[in-house]
Amino acid sequence: GAGVSQSPSNKVTEKGKDVELRCDPISGHTALYWYRQSLGQGLEFLIYFQGNSAPDKSGLPSDRFSAERTGGSVSTLTIQRTQQEDSAVYLCASSLVGGAYGELFFGEGSRLTVL
Amino acid sequence: KNEVEQSPQNLTAQEGEFITINCSYSVGISALHWLQQHPGGGIVSLFMLSSGKKKHGRLIATINIQEKHSSLHITASHPRDSAVYICAVRSIGSGGGADGLTFGKGTHLIIQP
Repeated sequence: GAGVSQSPSNKVTEKGKDVELRCDPISGHTALYWYRQSLGQGLEFLIYFQGNSAPDKSGLPSDRFSAERTGGSVSTLTIQRTQQEDSAVYLCASSLVGGAYGELFFGEGSRLTVL
Repeated sequence: KNEVEQSPQNLTAQEGEFITINCSYSVGISALHWLQQHPGGGIVSLFMLSSGKKKHGRLIATINIQEKHSSLHITASHPRDSAVYICAVRSIGSGGGADGLTFGKGTHLIIQP
């Protein structure tokens, strides 16, 4: 597609359930980022994939969060045993190149509500 | 860790006014991004700059590396410019890793007709 695509756009789940969020980056973009934006807060870095390198997972808030990127393209962010504090908009961005000068292209986000 | 401060946090102006949003940061950077987020969440990259000034349509972004400060200007503002404007900086020496990118909390701009 022309832009970064995320699904689902909205997800309501019950506390304790697992959720999967998907990101389809712009074709050819080597860098992929996941961010979280809680209500009224700035973007919080979660995880970064760059080519075939090991992902930078330093932003993942707990071991309930994991992400993978298959074939250097589509990425899935998984949250296990969801908690109410996980409610947020999860944003994916991709960049043609990683590093300092890669321009970021964002998806529309996946709004997660944990009841 | 780089601290990024934006001002004002909220700004309401009348259509046609010249708008300035400021971003200050605490340590040296290799690049600064201005992003726009409309209601509903979608984020668009407006500018990426490391020195000087860039212009795109009615939007102008400037950066002063020595003063660790950037401004985003909107000329002839219009209600469709209403959005949250976010400044993000990548610290020097971060290796380009994602944890070197620090975001401001955003400036919520409303342009009234």
